Amino acid sequence: AQSVTQLDSQVPVFEEAPVELRCNYSSSVSVYLFWYVQYPNQGLQLLLKYLSGSTLVESINGFEAEFNKSQTSFHLRKPSVHISDTAEYFCAVILNNAGNMLTFGGGTRLMVKP
Amino acid sequence: EPEVTQTPSHQVTQMGQEVILRCVPISNHLYFYWYRQILGQKVEFLVSFYNNEISEKSEIFDDQFSVERPDGSNFTLKIRSTKLEDSAMYFCASSERRKETQYFGPGTRLLVL
Repeated sequence: AQSVTQLDSQVPVFEEAPVELRCNYSSSVSVYLFWYVQYPNQGLQLLLKYLSGSTLVESINGFEAEFNKSQTSFHLRKPSVHISDTAEYFCAVILNNAGNMLTFGGGTRLMVKP
Repeated sequence: EPEVTQTPSHQVTQMGQEVILRCVPISNHLYFYWYRQILGQKVEFLVSFYNNEISEKSEIFDDQFSVERPDGSNFTLKIRSTKLEDSAMYFCASSERRKETQYFGPGTRLLVL
């Protein structure tokens, strides 16, 4: 069975510092990869996704993630965070050879401090 | 921008009661989903629905749960006899195609007393 691991449950960081949120998955087949963000008291919003093509994907608000097949990772990075980036971030996968269900990691709470 | 909506935002019920959670998916989407998140735990898949039938379900989705698309716009999750452990945030999602982005609603927080 596939699983998704987000190694850090909380990441405190100062404003304007760089950040990396780690995500590893285990699967013997190819996957589609997603990062969702959940702001306080809101639902899950898609941040970025990898379906195929370039292994580096970017969001409109400065986040990027790189699919690394050999390391089965899809880490999320931002070179300079803002207070408004404070939220919970979820990594998720869909297996290519199975149905449509998203399997989520446990989430990482990003706390940006002034 | 189109979005998935869910009602109610909060629901409190007594153990053993039936609840119906409602969702309006994005209008041109064909695939519909329910997920739940128990406090402090991972978001878990419950069920997916396509072409008026269940296409996948998890072990959580037992006989106490059912889904329905009663009309062209609503998608509902029914829990027939709620248990304390059903307390969770329930998210509805929809996607236009298979293996594509799933768009989530804001969730319904269910509390079973």
